[in-house]
Amino acid sequence: AQSVTQLDSQVPVFEEAPVELRCNYSSSVSVYLFWYVQYPNQGLQLLLKYLSGSTLVKGINGFEAEFNKSQTSFHLRKPSVHISDTAEYFCAVTHNDYKLSFGAGTTVTVRA
Amino acid sequence: DAGVTQSPTHLIKTRGQQVTLRCSPKSGHDTVSWYQQALGQGPQFIFQYYEEEERQRGNFPDRFSGHQFPNYSSELNVNALLLGDSALYLCASSYRVDQPQHFGDGTRLSIL
Repeated sequence: AQSVTQLDSQVPVFEEAPVELRCNYSSSVSVYLFWYVQYPNQGLQLLLKYLSGSTLVKGINGFEAEFNKSQTSFHLRKPSVHISDTAEYFCAVTHNDYKLSFGAGTTVTVRA
Repeated sequence: DAGVTQSPTHLIKTRGQQVTLRCSPKSGHDTVSWYQQALGQGPQFIFQYYEEEERQRGNFPDRFSGHQFPNYSSELNVNALLLGDSALYLCASSYRVDQPQHFGDGTRLSIL
């Protein structure tokens, strides 16, 4: 079984500053990894995914993440945030079973 | 191309009642998964349907049941509602295990 730990429950950040959201996973087999964003009163929107290949993954809205197998991490980064990036961010993992296991989420609040 | 659609958007029920939530998957997707997201938490996997069969199930009681129709749409039924069933219920659809799941905006269920 897989599990996900998001190390930061809340991340306040100033506009145009960089942000990093940390995600660690545990699994005894190879996995697929995802980051989703959830805006208030909405469902989840995919930011990026890691399936195989290059460990640096680029997603939408300027986000990127790096897969580190030795540290079992998949941290999300953005070099310069906007007010509109204020949202809840979820890291998720799955094996070959379509079942997603989510972390508890990180609330990002961007201040002017 | 319509994404995943869920109905209704909001629902209020009382303890002991029964509820049915509906989901239409994204065009071309044949697998539907249901998740429960309690306030302030990450989504929790309820179950998944493929070819009109429940393919796998999370740690939820038998009060939670579902169905998938030949057109791939799906229903989630919850019997004997408890206060703790209050949550956002998310439907996600997918086609292959190495492709991301696409989420609807969810149904907000409130139990009084």
